[in-house]
Amino acid sequence: DAGVTQSPTHLIKTRGQQVTLRCSPKSGHDTVSWYQQALGQGPQFIFQYYEEEERQRGNFPDRFSGHQFPNYSSELNVNALLLGDSALYLCASSLGWDFDTEAFFGQGTRLTVV
Amino acid sequence: AQKITQTQPGMFVQEKEAVTLDCTYDTSDPSYGLFWYKQPSSGEMIFLIYQGSYDQQNATEGRYSLNFQKARKSANLVISASQLGDSAMYFCAMREGGETQGGSEKLVFGKGTKLTVNP
Repeated sequence: DAGVTQSPTHLIKTRGQQVTLRCSPKSGHDTVSWYQQALGQGPQFIFQYYEEEERQRGNFPDRFSGHQFPNYSSELNVNALLLGDSALYLCASSLGWDFDTEAFFGQGTRLTVV
Repeated sequence: AQKITQTQPGMFVQEKEAVTLDCTYDTSDPSYGLFWYKQPSSGEMIFLIYQGSYDQQNATEGRYSLNFQKARKSANLVISASQLGDSAMYFCAMREGGETQGGSEKLVFGKGTKLTVNP
């Protein structure tokens, strides 16, 4: 049973460019959340998708957008990249989102903006 | 206000000894879940153990146990018989039930503790 897979694993982009990160959830999971982890920090919640709609959003600008497809896979898009967007981007999948729901994480995409 | 506090930036332990990683949390929600994750240098967050706010007993998973003191709002992770492979970042996280402040969609993480196991 494949876990959460993310692609690409590493990415280097230039300031001002746009980037798309991809996530395939664990089999059977219908909910995908995205987190940004800056160096030396804990992950910060970006947003969550369920039934192809954004359910909740963290404190991130509109430059961060996402999408969920009918097969539950998801994309994270970041426009007009800033140097400060350099981070590890983690995707987490779960079955629903109750307070006791375990989230399974992928290995992350390490984005470097130069 | 910070909801998850991990006060130990780094911890060192000798192989085969036990170590406790501290975590305190803040919530007014009666329903919440507390999670511990391990993050090796590869980046993946690996789930270790879960404790629910209504659980009467402390959670245990193999060498991992959670010292849950609800009145003190602490959820410390205890790793017994440390192994070299335990060297990693450890994160405490909470998901609220959403009864007082919106939904429970997100996990809120602490800043983590870097554990180093010495041979």
